[in-house]
Amino acid sequence: EIVLTQSPATLSLSPGERATLSCRASQSVSGYLTWYQQKPGQAPRLLIYDASNRATGIPARFSGSGSGTDFTLTISSLEPEDFAVYYCHQRASWPPIFTFGPGTKVDI
Amino acid sequence: QVQLQESGPGLVKPSETLSLTCTVSGGSVSSDSYYWTWIRQPAGKGLEWIGYIYYSGSTNYNPSLKSRVTISVDTSKNQFSLKLTSVTAADTAVYYCVGDLIAAPVHDAFDIWGQGTMVTVSS
Repeated sequence: EIVLTQSPATLSLSPGERATLSCRASQSVSGYLTWYQQKPGQAPRLLIYDASNRATGIPARFSGSGSGTDFTLTISSLEPEDFAVYYCHQRASWPPIFTFGPGTKVDI
Repeated sequence: QVQLQESGPGLVKPSETLSLTCTVSGGSVSSDSYYWTWIRQPAGKGLEWIGYIYYSGSTNYNPSLKSRVTISVDTSKNQFSLKLTSVTAADTAVYYCVGDLIAAPVHDAFDIWGQGTMVTVSS
C-alpha cells in the first residue's frame, strides 16, 4: 500500500502570504496525485488533479507540481477563504487502492 | 451538472448493518466516466476511501474493510448504495458519496461530492 505523508501538519500564515504544502509518497505514483480543500462542515473540494492541472473554477493562485514521490501545492497569495485543510490523494496502483494523506491545516 | 445526495439512518446499533444510498441527479449512474465511490471521515480526522462500483458492476474495496463492505448500483433508480456489516463505534463517521472522474484526460479525481451524512454507531 502506498502511504502519503503531508507536511507540515499545520501552516500558520497571514493573508497575502505564500503557502507551500508538501505531499510525499512512499513509492512512485507517477503524476497521479490530487489535491483537495476542505473547510469546516463542508465536503472536500477538488483543487488539482494529475499533479498540476487545476480543476474547473479553481483560481490561478493555486498551483501543483511534482512527480514520482514528491509533490507540492502552492497558494501564491492567501485569500481569507483559503484557510482550510488540504489533503492529497493518489490512485496509482492496479487494481486501484486509493489513499489520502493526513492533511495540512492552513490557519491564520 | 451532476449532483449527489446521501440518504439513510443516522443511528445504527453496534453489530448491525449500516445502509446508505446515494441518488445521482443531473447525470447517470450508468456513465462510464465515473467510479461511484464511498468515502468516510470520522469527526476531526482524515478521509478514508471505502470502495467504488463501476457502471459495469465491477467493484473494488478498501482491503481493511473488504470483508464487511458491499457497494451496489440500481440503474432504474439512478442510485448506488453502501452496506457495511457488523458495525462498531469505530465506524462512526460522516459518509460521503463521491463521483471519481476517470475520463481522459483526467487519470482520476474525486470530482463530485455529496454533502455527507453523519452516521453514529451507538446502542
